[in-house]
Amino acid sequence: AQSVTQPDIHITVSEGASLELRCNYSYGATPYLFWYVQSPGQGLQLLLKYFSGDTLVQGIKGFEAEFKRSQSSFNLRKPSVHWSDAAEYFCAVGTVKAAGNKLTFGGGTRVLVKP
Amino acid sequence: GAVVSQHPSRVICKSGTSVKIECRSLDFQATTMFWYRQFPKQSLMLMATSNEGSKATYEQGVEKDKFLINHASLTLSTLTVTSAHPEDSSFYICSARFGGPADEQFFGPGTRLTVL
Repeated sequence: AQSVTQPDIHITVSEGASLELRCNYSYGATPYLFWYVQSPGQGLQLLLKYFSGDTLVQGIKGFEAEFKRSQSSFNLRKPSVHWSDAAEYFCAVGTVKAAGNKLTFGGGTRVLVKP
Repeated sequence: GAVVSQHPSRVICKSGTSVKIECRSLDFQATTMFWYRQFPKQSLMLMATSNEGSKATYEQGVEKDKFLINHASLTLSTLTVTSAHPEDSSFYICSARFGGPADEQFFGPGTRLTVL
């Protein structure tokens, strides 16, 4: 079965500084990988996804992620954080089966942004 | 973008009663809908997958008689928590997808259920 680990429960970063959120996955085949952001009162929003091809993926809101098969990682990065980036971030791995793409989520990383 | 709504956003009920949560895709037809449960400060756990017009597929450990899922149309799925107990208190989130297995799931804002 697939699994996702986000080693950092909390990260505090100053506004304008760079941000990197770690994600490690376990899956027997080539995974579909996703990063979602959850803000209070709002549904999860997809930041970016990786299915195949270029291992550096660009997403919305200035985020990018790099798929590294050798490290089973899909870390999320942003060069310069804005106060509005304070939220909970979830990495997820998807599997394609008869029932459809089922997502397995990591435990999440809460990002706090200092002024 | 595709919008998914949930109703109600919050519900408080007494132990032993049943609660129904609706999930609607507002601007697209959802071939598949998913129901998740999220405990405080924890991740989302998939409860079940439902396709319009067919029975839901429940994840291991999820009681199908406890959590009734109906996917009556391409825009509406309902989750009924039957005979709710305090341990059922949680944040329930639905998502919907209109394409194939590799397509994006769009998430609703969630429903906070509190069972007294």
